[in-house]
Amino acid sequence: DVVMTQSPFSLPVTLGQPASISCRSSQSLAHSDGRIFLNWFQQRPGQSPRRLIYEVSKRVSGVPDRFSGSGSGTDFTLKISRVEAEDVAVYYCMQGKHWPRTFGQGTKLEIK
Amino acid sequence: EVQLVESGGNLVQPGGSLRLSCVASGFTFSSSWMTWVRQAPGKEPEWVAIINEDGSGRNYVDSVKGRFIVSRDNAKNSLYLQMNSLTVGDTAVYYCARDRDWGDLDIWGQGTKVTVSS
Repeated sequence: DVVMTQSPFSLPVTLGQPASISCRSSQSLAHSDGRIFLNWFQQRPGQSPRRLIYEVSKRVSGVPDRFSGSGSGTDFTLKISRVEAEDVAVYYCMQGKHWPRTFGQGTKLEIK
Repeated sequence: EVQLVESGGNLVQPGGSLRLSCVASGFTFSSSWMTWVRQAPGKEPEWVAIINEDGSGRNYVDSVKGRFIVSRDNAKNSLYLQMNSLTVGDTAVYYCARDRDWGDLDIWGQGTKVTVSS
């Protein structure tokens, strides 16, 4: 199975400051058509996961533009330009290129 | 309103069986690939199974192969997960989700809790 490795495990951030989460896959997530199947999800306490970004950098409608995704091949990053209180959550990357789909272990963002 | 509503979670003894259901509304269920994802307490989500639009194609994570069966009834806008030979390791909240495209899980239910314990 493809292993998805996230870092850091815990991310304390001051309100208004940027945050960055790394995700690395053990195999390439690139399809022959050029698309890369790496998705990011946000899970607030007590809620279901919610998709934020798909195909590395495509932000879902309704997701604030302070969230952005980047990367290629096997190394990916989720960035929040200015953290707000509502961003407290666990963030997961997930690959959709290989079977079975696999998630990273999560990064817990908290306010410092 | 676009919605997925799971049901069927319960407390069951090891070796027992359970059938989960997920009812979809607000989108074209019969054209959608659907998945089951589970999340054990304090752990990351784990992808469990997927079924294509007409039910002719299915795939499972290795840990449930031969024990779980995913199925659907498009006339009822419903997705199912038949879980047999349950173990303590199957304890989790089970979510159904739509797989829009290559793992892009764009719609999630609220989850149903399965506890396997003696």
